[in-house]
Amino acid sequence: GNSVTQMEGPVTLSEEAFLTINCTYTATGYPSLFWYVQYPGEGLQLLLKATKADDKGSNKGFEATYRKETTSFHLEKGSVQVSDSAVYFCALRQDDKIIFGKGTRLHILP
Amino acid sequence: GAVVSQHPSWVICKSGTSVKIECRSLDFQATTMFWYRQFPKQSLMLMATSNEGSKATYEQGVEKDKFLINHASLTLSTLTVTSAHPEDSSFYICSAKEGSYEQYFGPGTRLTVT
Repeated sequence: GNSVTQMEGPVTLSEEAFLTINCTYTATGYPSLFWYVQYPGEGLQLLLKATKADDKGSNKGFEATYRKETTSFHLEKGSVQVSDSAVYFCALRQDDKIIFGKGTRLHILP
Repeated sequence: GAVVSQHPSWVICKSGTSVKIECRSLDFQATTMFWYRQFPKQSLMLMATSNEGSKATYEQGVEKDKFLINHASLTLSTLTVTSAHPEDSSFYICSAKEGSYEQYFGPGTRLTVT
């Protein structure tokens, strides 16, 4: 079945560090891929998405590229801020169903 | 942007009682709504999908008689946890979409069963 695997956290970085959160997926067909962010005490917010191979999603300095050959959708940001501290979920959507990874908690230290 | 609200944001109930959670789309017509459950430090698991005016479709392993879902209008879906037990304590999140557009998520409802 379809599944999403992302690196376990927590990930702790200093402000302005480079961020990578790895995400790989297993799916039949060609799913859409997403990164969602959940700030403390809040619901999920869509951060970025990509709908086909080689697409790059980007938002708020974050980006991820849909790599069909490696079935990956790694999240990157060149310089993180304290306000980026949150839980990040990689997800795929096939038909109407969204399947989430377990989430990666990110702590950014000032 | 599209906004989905949930009420209440936090509820405590006694074991054996029922509790209802509301999910509303505030500025669009939610033809489809989804209910998820999130355990602490875990991912979101889809519980059921409901289309307005139709019976909900439950995921494997989800008890439909325990988690009653109603989607009677294009802006409101409710999840009722019947005869709640402590193991039902969790964070329940709904999402909604209009037609083929993206899903938008509510802020979640934390249920604690004592």
